[in-house]
Amino acid sequence: AQTVTQSQPEMSVQEAETVTLSCTYDTSESDYYLFWYKQPPSRQMILVIRQEAYKQQNATENRFSVNFQKAAKSFSLKISDSQLGDAAMYFCAYRTYGQNFVFGPGTRLSVLP
Amino acid sequence: DTGVSQDPRHKITKRGQNVTFRCDPISEHNRLYWYRQTLGQGPEFLTYFQNEAQLEKSRLLSDRFSAERPKGSFSTLEIQRTEQGDSAMYLCASTGTGFGTEAFFGQGTRLTVV
Repeated sequence: AQTVTQSQPEMSVQEAETVTLSCTYDTSESDYYLFWYKQPPSRQMILVIRQEAYKQQNATENRFSVNFQKAAKSFSLKISDSQLGDAAMYFCAYRTYGQNFVFGPGTRLSVLP
Repeated sequence: DTGVSQDPRHKITKRGQNVTFRCDPISEHNRLYWYRQTLGQGPEFLTYFQNEAQLEKSRLLSDRFSAERPKGSFSTLEIQRTEQGDSAMYLCASTGTGFGTEAFFGQGTRLTVV
C-alpha cells in the first residue's frame, strides 16, 4: 500500500524568508502524481502545486516550487518570500491511476512577522 | 458553479443517534470522494464514487457507515448508531477524469458526538 510521510509536524519561518517542507512516499508504481495541498485554519483545502512522476522538470507556481527526487521518493515544497497568508497546514498527497488520494499527516507552518 | 459544498457545516449529536451529511460536487465532476480528518491529522480515505457507482471503500468504513450517490450527482454519508470515536471532520472532494486532475474540497462537516 502506498504511504506518504511528512517528518516535520511543525515548521516556522520569518516573513519574506524561504522554508522547505519535506515529504517522502512509498510506491511500486512508475506513473503517479504528487500534490501539495494547503489547509488554512477553518478553511477548505486548496491545491498549491502538483508534479507528474514522468516529468523530470520540477514544478513551479509563483513563490512555490518543488524538489522531486523520484529515485529517492522525495517531494519537498519550497516556499519563497513567505507571507503571513502562507500560514496553514500543508499536506503532501499521492495518487496513481484508478486510486484515491493518499495524504500525509501534514506540517503546520507558522509565519512570523 | 461555486465549488464543492457540504451540509451541514457542524453537527452535534448524542451517542447512538444517526446522522446524515450531504455533499454537492462541482457539477461536471464525475468522481466524488469522502475523507475523514481528525484534529492535527491528514485526511483518511473513506470511499469513492465514479458517477453513481461506489468503486472503493476503506476498511475504516464500518458497517455503521453508508454512502450513496444517486444519479451521479450529490452524495450522502450516513453514520448509524454514532460513537464518540466518530467525532471528526468529514471532507468531500470531487475531481474530473484523469488521475492528475486536482481534487476540489468542500469546507467539511464537523461532527461532534457527545
